[in-house]
Amino acid sequence: QQQVKQSPQSLIVQKGGISIINCAYENTAFDYFPWYQQFPGKGPALLIAIRPDVSEKKEGRFTISFNKSAKQFSLHIMDSQPGDSATYFCAASRRNAGGTSYGKLTFGQGTILTVHP
Amino acid sequence: KAGVTQTPRYLIKTRGQQVTLSCSPISGHRSVSWYQQTPGQGLQFLFEYFSETQRNKGNFPGRFSGRQFSNSRSEMNVSTLELGDSALYLCASSTGQGGEKLFFGSGTQLSVL
Repeated sequence: QQQVKQSPQSLIVQKGGISIINCAYENTAFDYFPWYQQFPGKGPALLIAIRPDVSEKKEGRFTISFNKSAKQFSLHIMDSQPGDSATYFCAASRRNAGGTSYGKLTFGQGTILTVHP
Repeated sequence: KAGVTQTPRYLIKTRGQQVTLSCSPISGHRSVSWYQQTPGQGLQFLFEYFSETQRNKGNFPGRFSGRQFSNSRSEMNVSTLELGDSALYLCASSTGQGGEKLFFGSGTQLSVL
């Protein structure tokens, strides 16, 4: 059962444009929603993350919008640059039973972003 | 501060063999999680270790196992390899004290022939 659905699978934007990637989750117990960026040959790197008690979080050109009632969240990349070309993964997690860990992430299938110069 | 180190970077094995992968977390991090990444299934959680104890487990068969040492370094073992085990195996470390941020290594690319 896929608990986090991500779309689109691939995205092409022009330099300076806005890239938008969407995710939907099923498990209402999730309370931590990170986005990861992965370049070829590298492991995923944390980009930005949000908790469900806020509807939006912005860090530089990256913004997460969160809609708790719809169980959806999205990543917006403003002024997209060729260097942003990578695979982006949304993920969701909840604390473990002991309340000490968010180590078990459930990932979306990924979006391959290509930014043309 | 050095990042998460995984060895070896590449590995080729044949069906039926077993393999051991190694992960050294960021200094001071006590939690290590393992993930499998494939083109078809994406990123899937294997297990998490903290203070030498497994505290989270994913839905993988018993052929996949792991352990953590007192210095927080971790190993994962896959026995009786199958073709479908070909994947990038990623290790991630975190403080383990309720912090959410996971820091991933570059992974070990395992090919099973």
